[in-house]
Amino acid sequence: EVQLVESGGGLVKPGGSLRLSCAASGISFTRYSMNWVRQAPGKGLEWVSSISSSSDYIYYAESVKGRFTISRDNAKKSAFLQMNSLRAEDTAVYYCATGGAAVWSGDYFDSWGQGTQLTVSS
Amino acid sequence: SYVLTQPPSVSVAPGQTARISCWGNNIRLKRVHWYQQKAGQAPVVVVFDNSDRPSGIPGRFSGSNSGDTATLTISRVEADDEADYYCQVWDSSSDHYVFGAGTKVTAL
Repeated sequence: EVQLVESGGGLVKPGGSLRLSCAASGISFTRYSMNWVRQAPGKGLEWVSSISSSSDYIYYAESVKGRFTISRDNAKKSAFLQMNSLRAEDTAVYYCATGGAAVWSGDYFDSWGQGTQLTVSS
Repeated sequence: SYVLTQPPSVSVAPGQTARISCWGNNIRLKRVHWYQQKAGQAPVVVVFDNSDRPSGIPGRFSGSNSGDTATLTISRVEADDEADYYCQVWDSSSDHYVFGAGTKVTAL
């Protein structure tokens, strides 16, 4: 059974930093891209970032480019989202999700974690 | 940037058919995926690549994509189908994934 477990969320002051983690089990991790999607309170899904299976292709939404950094450790079957210069509008539940190995192929996100809450507030 | 437009809500009587539209410029050229999100839960893909269904998704869920509109159709709607539904594409012009704003389906 595929399982994705996010961790690292919490309460952070504006301008602060946080690192989210996503631990995968039950899958051949190197076959999948890893993706982060967020959902602000009462709002829809917003794609945040994607990293290909071998980390050679990385993409960011304009709203986080230059502030967030996605990475992965295939040996540990984990993906990460380093978030800097956090703003109130980054407040959301952050989901990690698996996709096709090559992000640019536009594959769907077939497995999702349950999400971790980030709140940015003073 | 590429924009996907969905109606905010669709209401349908149980047993009837719900159709959820997703409008995008020349969307027929893209691979459209649809996700169901129930309250307090993570999204689940119900249709991928315009019209394919993952294993475990009932045959009542189907998809189509033509012109500027992709459509998710839920036949014989059940109370358990009440959820938010999102369309998604990869926009190769911007190298971004894009989600529609979501459609809330209510079984009257």
